[in-house]
Amino acid sequence: GQQLNQSPQSMFIQEGEDVSMNCTSSSIFNTWLWYKQDPGEGPVLLIALYKAGELTSNGRLTAQFGITRKDSFLNISASIPSDVGIYFCAGLQGGSEKLVFGKGTKLTVNP
Amino acid sequence: GAGVSQSPSNKVTEKGKDVELRCDPISGHTALYWYRQSLGQGLEFLIYFQGNSAPDKSGLPSDRFSAERTGGSVSTLTIQRTQQEDSAVYLCASSLGQVGGIQYFGAGTRLSVL
Repeated sequence: GQQLNQSPQSMFIQEGEDVSMNCTSSSIFNTWLWYKQDPGEGPVLLIALYKAGELTSNGRLTAQFGITRKDSFLNISASIPSDVGIYFCAGLQGGSEKLVFGKGTKLTVNP
Repeated sequence: GAGVSQSPSNKVTEKGKDVELRCDPISGHTALYWYRQSLGQGLEFLIYFQGNSAPDKSGLPSDRFSAERTGGSVSTLTIQRTQQEDSAVYLCASSLGQVGGIQYFGAGTRLSVL
């Protein structure tokens, strides 16, 4: 099935560093979402974006909905050990209720 | 309950057996979704319910997979004659049902087919 192109696949960083990850698609999406998944848990929503060009922050997290509606990025500033996990982008297309997901970015933070 | 509840959390079965996975959505959520997550992959949509109806079942991989929802609440995903490639984490989500509503996920059922 359709998937979003998410990169990087994994990241190893030091505590305190900033992190950036992104998702792209050949199709237009009306909504972009960023989820975090911890081992053995379901994804938890971090940020939702509903308008092209929208820039939204949630604490140390900032995400943007690309102006073309075909991409989005997530930045994490001043990373801490509890940021460890897998981050997924997801999108909703017009008229559809099914989320299309990227393959995830696995983040490791070294103290 | 406060969140989406799925049971069992783990299921080990033999190839060829049928399995049933259960999802209890957040109270008051009219929309319910099933996704499948294979190892190292993103989530793959299976089916979506609005109330007891399934307007979109396009993601069900074969006719061995079926799902139902009763009373606008609990949903059951059934896999008949399981195959090894069915091994995955099956995740359920629910939302308030408005267009583009935020989907809240359960912890999933990890299915292993031996």
